[in-house]
Amino acid sequence: KAGVTQTPRYLIKTRGQQVTLSCSPISGHRSVSWYQQTPGQGLQFLFEYFSETQRNKGNFPGRFSGRQFSNSRSEMNVSTLELGDSALYLCASSLGPGQGARLGNYGYTFGSGTRLTVV
Amino acid sequence: GDSVTQMEGPVTLSEEAFLTINCTYTATGYPSLFWYVQYPGEGLQLLLKATKADDKGSNKGFEATYRKETTSFHLEKGSVQVSDSAVYFCALSDQVDSSYKLIFGSGTRLLVRP
Repeated sequence: KAGVTQTPRYLIKTRGQQVTLSCSPISGHRSVSWYQQTPGQGLQFLFEYFSETQRNKGNFPGRFSGRQFSNSRSEMNVSTLELGDSALYLCASSLGPGQGARLGNYGYTFGSGTRLTVV
Repeated sequence: GDSVTQMEGPVTLSEEAFLTINCTYTATGYPSLFWYVQYPGEGLQLLLKATKADDKGSNKGFEATYRKETTSFHLEKGSVQVSDSAVYFCALSDQVDSSYKLIFGSGTRLLVRP
C-alpha cells in the first residue's frame, strides 16, 4: 500500500512569508502527527490530529498551526517565517484510537519529509 | 518530563563488526520503546519496538531488549554491513489521555567501512 506522502519535498521561502505543508497518511490511518527536525534541537513534536481535531500540541509558538480534513489528510502552516524555522518537517501517520490498536504500541509510519529553507 | 539519552556519535565500524548503540530513558509511566533509522535524505523508518519490560524487539538482524531495571533499550547487531550506515534514533512513547507522541534521543550516526 502507498506510504505517507508529503508535499512538497523542498521549499525555499523568505523571512516573513508563510508556508503550507501537506501530508497524506496511509490509507486507513486516521491519526497524523508532525515533527520538526533540526541539527540543534533534534526531533521535536509539533502536534497530532485525529478526526479533524488537534489532540496534542508541542511547545511551539502560535505561528505554527495545522488542520486535518475529513479524508485524514493534514496540512501544517507556519506564518511569519523566521530563519530558525529552517528544518526538515516530518509527518507521521498511525491507526489512532478506536481501531483496536493500543496507543503507542505500533509506532508511526513517517513520510520522507519537507525540507524548508528560510532565507 | 520523559526523556531519552543516546550515546554520542559518530560510530565508525568495519564491515562484519559487532554494533552496540546505547540508549537509556527516563519515564514516569510504562512507555513503549522504539528504534528508528534515517537514511540520508529520507524520513524515519521504524526498525524495531518493544512494548513492555523484558520484551525483545528484532528486525533485519538488529535487536534491543526493554530493560526496566536499568531503564535501557540498547540496540545491537552481530555483524554490520555497509548498507547499515545511517542515523539511528531511540524513542519512547509518551501518552497523555488518548493521545501520544514520541520523544526522541539525539540520534547516533553509524558509518560502516568496507
